[in-house]
Amino acid sequence: ILNVEQSPQSLHVQEGDSTNFTCSFPSSNFYALHWYRWETAKSPEALFVMTLNGDEKKKGRISATLNTKEGYSYLYIKGSQPEDSATYLCASRAGTASKLTFGTGTRLQVTL
Amino acid sequence: GAVVSQHPSWVICKSGTSVKIECRSLDFQATTMFWYRQFPKQSLMLMATSNEGSKATYEQGVEKDKFLINHASLTLSTLTVTSAHPEDSSFYICSAPGAGNTIYFGEGSWLTVV
Repeated sequence: ILNVEQSPQSLHVQEGDSTNFTCSFPSSNFYALHWYRWETAKSPEALFVMTLNGDEKKKGRISATLNTKEGYSYLYIKGSQPEDSATYLCASRAGTASKLTFGTGTRLQVTL
Repeated sequence: GAVVSQHPSWVICKSGTSVKIECRSLDFQATTMFWYRQFPKQSLMLMATSNEGSKATYEQGVEKDKFLINHASLTLSTLTVTSAHPEDSSFYICSAPGAGNTIYFGEGSWLTVV
């Protein structure tokens, strides 16, 4: 994998549903994997930064896992709420530089 | 927490003119800031790395004479799009590394060149 890829591109779920997204990234020279939540007209909000293979992080109803050997990360949202509606971005960092390579994002819409 | 502020949020300019976008770190110092650009249905793409007190580093394919970057202080980086053309119309966003591995983003700037 040369680029960061996210799937699905968009997702429409109902309130209370649990959902998950996938981020695939180059595993060579891996340093860190970032997840952001991005609402329109706002700054992308940092959700997680993960560096170690097997890392699992949780923030409220949102959690993420990391597999650096195979180059993928999953983001899970349990019991989706309308306020979870946003675009979720993942980005990888190679080496120690702070520049990020982004995926195109997964757009989540949660309806009542 | 740490905040990065970007201004303006929206700007419309005439073709051939220049426009400046500012990126400020509000409660931390940033020796390095990053400028990204996003075209419709594409991912955020890094344009350049802004280095305080020295020249910016541009990614391949980004014209340094067209996209002037100045990082004169530890809290401010500016991106000037010179002689703007309609194809420069895009979404521009900056970021700055904070404590630990966290990287903070500004709100972004929509540029429309008419």
